[in-house]
Amino acid sequence: EAGVAQSPRYKIIEKRQSVAFWCNPISGHATLYWYQQILGQGPKLLIQFQNNGVVDDSQLPKDRFSAERLKGVDSTLKIQPAKLEDSAVYLCASSSTFLGLAKNIQYFGAGTRLSVL
Amino acid sequence: AQKITQTQPGMFVQEKEAVTLDCTYDTSDPSYGLFWYKQPSSGEMIFLIYQGSYDQQNATEGRYSLNFQKARKSANLVISASQLGDSAMYFCASWDGNTPLVFGKGTRLSVIA
Repeated sequence: EAGVAQSPRYKIIEKRQSVAFWCNPISGHATLYWYQQILGQGPKLLIQFQNNGVVDDSQLPKDRFSAERLKGVDSTLKIQPAKLEDSAVYLCASSSTFLGLAKNIQYFGAGTRLSVL
Repeated sequence: AQKITQTQPGMFVQEKEAVTLDCTYDTSDPSYGLFWYKQPSSGEMIFLIYQGSYDQQNATEGRYSLNFQKARKSANLVISASQLGDSAMYFCASWDGNTPLVFGKGTRLSVIA
Protein backbone atom coordinates (compact mmCIF):
# COMPACT_ATOMS: atom_id res chain seq x y z
CA GLU A 1 0.00 0.00 0.00
CA ALA A 2 1.40 3.37 -1.01
CA GLY A 3 1.98 5.89 1.76
CA VAL A 4 1.22 9.60 1.90
CA ALA A 5 2.91 11.38 -0.99
CA GLN A 6 4.11 14.96 -0.77
CA SER A 7 5.87 17.27 -3.18
CA PRO A 8 8.14 19.05 -3.46
CA ARG A 9 10.56 17.77 -0.81
CA TYR A 10 12.41 21.07 -0.59
CA LYS A 11 11.57 24.63 -1.55
CA ILE A 12 13.53 27.83 -1.18
CA ILE A 13 11.79 31.14 -1.82
CA GLU A 14 12.23 34.78 -0.95
CA LYS A 15 9.90 36.56 1.45
CA ARG A 16 6.71 37.91 -0.10
CA GLN A 17 6.77 35.20 -2.78
CA SER A 18 4.07 32.54 -2.97
CA VAL A 19 4.49 28.77 -2.68
CA ALA A 20 2.27 25.70 -2.92
CA PHE A 21 2.60 22.21 -1.51
CA TRP A 22 0.81 19.12 -2.73
CA CYS A 23 -0.32 16.03 -0.82
CA ASN A 24 -1.86 12.75 -1.93
CA PRO A 25 -3.16 10.72 1.04
CA ILE A 26 -3.29 6.97 1.44
CA SER A 27 -5.98 5.55 -0.82
CA GLY A 28 -9.34 5.45 0.90
CA HIS A 29 -8.41 7.74 3.78
CA ALA A 30 -11.18 10.27 4.26
CA THR A 31 -9.37 12.54 6.70
CA LEU A 32 -6.41 14.68 5.68
CA TYR A 33 -4.29 16.94 7.87
CA TRP A 34 -1.68 19.64 7.23
CA TYR A 35 0.88 20.32 9.96
CA GLN A 36 3.61 22.91 10.37
CA GLN A 37 6.76 21.77 12.17
CA ILE A 38 9.16 24.52 13.16
CA LEU A 39 12.71 23.45 13.95
CA GLY A 40 12.99 22.06 17.46
CA GLN A 41 9.26 21.65 17.97
CA GLY A 42 6.59 19.06 17.44
CA PRO A 43 4.14 19.36 14.54
CA LYS A 44 1.26 21.81 14.92
CA LEU A 45 -2.02 21.25 13.10
CA LEU A 46 -2.89 23.88 10.50
CA ILE A 47 -6.01 22.40 8.93
CA GLN A 48 -8.02 19.19 8.92
CA PHE A 49 -10.29 17.96 6.12
CA GLN A 50 -12.96 15.28 6.26
CA ASN A 51 -13.47 14.31 2.62
CA ASN A 52 -13.60 17.74 0.92
CA GLY A 53 -14.93 19.68 3.91
CA VAL A 54 -12.92 21.61 6.48
CA VAL A 55 -13.24 20.24 10.02
CA ASP A 56 -10.74 22.46 11.82
CA ASP A 57 -8.77 25.43 10.52
CA SER A 58 -8.57 27.36 13.78
CA GLN A 59 -4.76 27.49 13.71
CA LEU A 60 -4.41 28.37 10.04
CA PRO A 61 -3.17 31.96 9.47
CA LYS A 62 -5.91 32.71 7.01
CA ASP A 63 -4.51 36.04 5.91
CA ARG A 64 -1.71 34.24 4.09
CA PHE A 65 -2.37 30.49 4.19
CA SER A 66 -5.04 28.65 2.23
CA ALA A 67 -5.75 24.99 1.59
CA GLU A 68 -8.16 23.03 -0.52
CA ARG A 69 -9.19 19.45 -1.12
CA LEU A 70 -11.61 19.88 -3.97
CA LYS A 71 -12.35 16.28 -4.90
CA GLY A 72 -11.85 14.81 -1.45
CA VAL A 73 -8.58 13.13 -2.38
CA ASP A 74 -5.40 15.16 -2.89
CA SER A 75 -4.86 18.54 -1.31
CA THR A 76 -2.90 21.73 -1.85
CA LEU A 77 -1.58 24.11 0.81
CA LYS A 78 -0.61 27.61 -0.33
CA ILE A 79 1.25 30.45 1.34
CA GLN A 80 0.93 33.93 -0.18
CA PRO A 81 2.89 36.03 0.64
CA ALA A 82 5.50 34.11 2.57
CA LYS A 83 7.23 35.50 5.65
CA LEU A 84 10.57 34.55 7.18
CA GLU A 85 8.77 32.85 10.09
CA ASP A 86 7.07 30.45 7.67
CA SER A 87 10.35 28.55 7.33
CA ALA A 88 9.43 25.08 8.55
CA VAL A 89 8.63 21.55 7.48
CA TYR A 90 5.06 21.14 6.22
CA LEU A 91 3.75 17.67 6.90
CA CYS A 92 0.67 16.07 5.43
CA ALA A 93 -1.06 13.18 7.17
CA SER A 94 -4.11 11.05 6.55
CA SER A 95 -6.26 8.70 8.57
CA SER A 96 -9.09 6.32 7.79
CA THR A 97 -11.33 7.12 10.77
CA PHE A 98 -12.53 10.33 12.34
CA LEU A 99 -15.34 9.50 14.72
CA GLY A 100 -14.33 8.91 18.32
CA LEU A 101 -10.96 7.54 19.26
CA ALA A 102 -11.09 4.22 17.51
CA LYS A 103 -7.31 4.16 17.32
CA ASN A 104 -7.32 7.01 14.81
CA ILE A 105 -3.76 6.61 13.62
CA GLN A 106 -2.45 9.37 11.41
CA TYR A 107 0.06 8.37 8.76
CA PHE A 108 2.47 11.05 7.64
CA GLY A 109 4.26 11.91 4.45
CA ALA A 110 7.94 12.84 4.27
CA GLY A 111 7.14 16.54 4.38
CA THR A 112 8.21 19.63 2.45
CA ARG A 113 11.06 21.62 3.92
CA LEU A 114 10.47 25.32 3.20
CA SER A 115 13.16 27.96 3.57
CA VAL A 116 12.09 31.60 3.27
CA LEU A 117 15.01 33.97 2.67
CA ALA B 1 -6.39 22.29 26.47
CA GLN B 2 -4.22 19.25 26.11
CA LYS B 3 -0.52 19.44 26.86
CA ILE B 4 2.28 16.96 26.26
CA THR B 5 5.56 17.25 28.14
CA GLN B 6 8.75 15.49 27.12
CA THR B 7 11.44 16.49 29.58
CA GLN B 8 14.42 14.81 27.90
CA PRO B 9 15.75 16.89 24.99
CA GLY B 10 18.34 14.20 24.25
CA MET B 11 19.17 10.66 25.31
CA PHE B 12 22.07 8.32 24.64
CA VAL B 13 21.86 4.54 24.78
CA GLN B 14 24.31 1.77 24.08
CA GLU B 15 23.44 -0.56 21.25
CA LYS B 16 21.45 -3.62 22.46
CA GLU B 17 20.46 -1.89 25.69
CA ALA B 18 16.92 -0.78 26.61
CA VAL B 19 15.95 2.88 26.89
CA THR B 20 12.93 4.70 28.30
CA LEU B 21 11.68 7.96 26.83
CA ASP B 22 9.47 9.97 29.16
CA CYS B 23 6.12 11.55 28.35
CA THR B 24 3.50 13.14 30.58
CA TYR B 25 0.17 14.39 29.37
CA ASP B 26 -2.53 16.65 30.69
CA THR B 27 -6.10 16.27 29.53
CA SER B 28 -9.42 16.68 31.29
CA ASP B 29 -11.22 14.28 28.97
CA PRO B 30 -11.57 10.72 30.37
CA SER B 31 -11.42 9.26 26.87
CA TYR B 32 -8.18 9.82 24.98
CA GLY B 33 -5.47 8.15 22.96
CA LEU B 34 -1.71 8.34 23.31
CA PHE B 35 0.68 7.90 20.41
CA TRP B 36 4.40 7.68 19.86
CA TYR B 37 6.01 8.65 16.56
CA LYS B 38 9.59 8.33 15.33
CA GLN B 39 11.07 11.00 13.05
CA PRO B 40 14.39 10.06 11.45
CA SER B 41 16.56 12.66 9.75
CA SER B 42 14.65 12.05 6.51
CA GLY B 43 11.72 13.90 8.08
CA GLU B 44 8.87 11.41 7.87
CA MET B 45 6.84 10.80 11.04
CA ILE B 46 6.56 7.06 11.57
CA PHE B 47 3.81 5.70 13.82
CA LEU B 48 5.16 3.36 16.50
CA ILE B 49 2.55 2.56 19.12
CA TYR B 50 -0.88 3.51 20.45
CA GLN B 51 -2.48 3.33 23.90
CA GLY B 52 -6.14 4.03 24.58
CA SER B 53 -7.16 5.49 27.92
CA TYR B 54 -9.48 2.57 28.60
CA ASP B 55 -7.04 -0.12 27.56
CA GLN B 56 -6.36 -2.41 30.51
CA GLN B 57 -2.97 -3.59 29.37
CA ASN B 58 0.10 -1.69 28.28
CA ALA B 59 0.53 -1.62 24.51
CA THR B 60 3.39 -3.49 22.87
CA GLU B 61 4.59 -3.51 19.25
CA GLY B 62 7.69 -5.60 18.68
CA ARG B 63 10.59 -3.90 20.48
CA TYR B 64 8.37 -1.00 21.53
CA SER B 65 6.24 -0.98 24.65
CA LEU B 66 4.32 1.76 26.34
CA ASN B 67 4.50 2.08 30.12
CA PHE B 68 1.07 3.60 30.77
CA GLN B 69 0.50 4.94 34.29
CA LYS B 70 -2.89 6.61 34.21
CA ALA B 71 -2.82 8.01 37.74
CA ARG B 72 0.48 9.73 37.03
CA LYS B 73 -0.63 10.75 33.54
CA SER B 74 2.51 9.28 32.06
CA ALA B 75 3.01 7.28 28.89
CA ASN B 76 6.67 6.40 28.63
CA LEU B 77 8.04 4.61 25.59
CA VAL B 78 10.39 1.70 26.20
CA ILE B 79 12.62 0.53 23.37
CA SER B 80 14.29 -2.80 24.03
CA ALA B 81 17.48 -4.05 22.39
CA SER B 82 18.32 -0.68 20.82
CA GLN B 83 19.68 -0.65 17.29
CA LEU B 84 21.70 1.99 15.45
CA GLY B 85 18.67 2.59 13.24
CA ASP B 86 16.70 3.70 16.28
CA SER B 87 18.62 6.98 16.33
CA ALA B 88 15.97 9.62 15.64
CA MET B 89 13.60 12.14 17.19
CA TYR B 90 10.73 10.60 19.14
CA PHE B 91 7.46 12.42 19.68
CA CYS B 92 4.70 11.67 22.14
CA ALA B 93 1.23 12.85 21.14
CA SER B 94 -2.27 12.82 22.59
CA TRP B 95 -5.75 13.05 21.07
CA ASP B 96 -9.13 13.09 22.79
CA GLY B 97 -11.27 12.97 19.68
CA ASN B 98 -12.40 16.58 20.03
CA THR B 99 -9.21 18.56 19.75
CA PRO B 100 -6.33 18.25 17.30
CA LEU B 101 -3.54 15.76 17.90
CA VAL B 102 -1.12 17.54 20.24
CA PHE B 103 2.59 16.73 20.11
CA GLY B 104 5.37 17.19 22.64
CA LYS B 105 8.67 18.83 21.73
CA GLY B 106 10.34 15.50 21.21
CA THR B 107 13.38 13.62 22.49
CA ARG B 108 16.45 13.03 20.33
CA LEU B 109 17.71 9.48 20.84
CA SER B 110 21.25 8.59 19.86
CA VAL B 111 22.27 4.93 19.82
CA ILE B 112 25.98 4.34 20.34
CA ALA B 113 27.77 1.33 18.92
